[in-house]
Amino acid sequence: SAVISQKPSRDICQRGTSLTIQCQVDSQVTMMFWYRQQPGQSLTLIATANQGSEATYESGFVIDKFPISRPNLTFSTLTVSNLSPEDSSIYLCSVARGYNEQFFGPGTRLTVL
Amino acid sequence: AQKITQTQPGMFVQEKEAVTLDCTYDTSDQSYGLFWYKQPSSGEMIFLIYQGSYDEQNATEGRYSLNFQKARKSANLVITASQLGDSAMYFCAMREGQTGKLIFGQGTTLQVKP
Repeated sequence: SAVISQKPSRDICQRGTSLTIQCQVDSQVTMMFWYRQQPGQSLTLIATANQGSEATYESGFVIDKFPISRPNLTFSTLTVSNLSPEDSSIYLCSVARGYNEQFFGPGTRLTVL
Repeated sequence: AQKITQTQPGMFVQEKEAVTLDCTYDTSDQSYGLFWYKQPSSGEMIFLIYQGSYDEQNATEGRYSLNFQKARKSANLVITASQLGDSAMYFCAMREGQTGKLIFGQGTTLQVKP
């Protein structure tokens, strides 16, 4: 399995501010993803974090709101910008090692006041 | 469009008994993968088991097994000898072709009774 860490584990932010979440993996991985889980809901893919190029966003998610960086094969950041209470969610990074393994970080629990 | 359906919002099982959590999927891809994850109240996603579309044998991992019926497009999770620590939300997910992206079902909350 992969060891994945996320920082921060939780945060409470004010409306209109931004939060940057870091995801660190213990070894190089090709595929890295960011998911959102709104309260009481399932997981929804935000984007695929591509190393050295712009992230690939899913329908309904835009770069201005969710800018993503991936400077190397072990690290990525997700920023949630211009926060509103609707952004209160758990944000999870995920890595795929081959087609039969996909692991998640511990998640970042965001509350927006 | 690809879709995962979990029709059981909540399930109860007596400790030490077996339970089956249902999952059906819809895809036109020939190559795909099916995953089950456990999410306790802490929020982490714990990988349980994987089944590839070309795998002929049902996957097993300890007390977890996947009842894969390809013609019916179902991938049910069977948990044997339930423990109190199995109480959690369980998600079925399907990998989109070669992309690695996962599509998730709505989840099933499992409660194990002592």
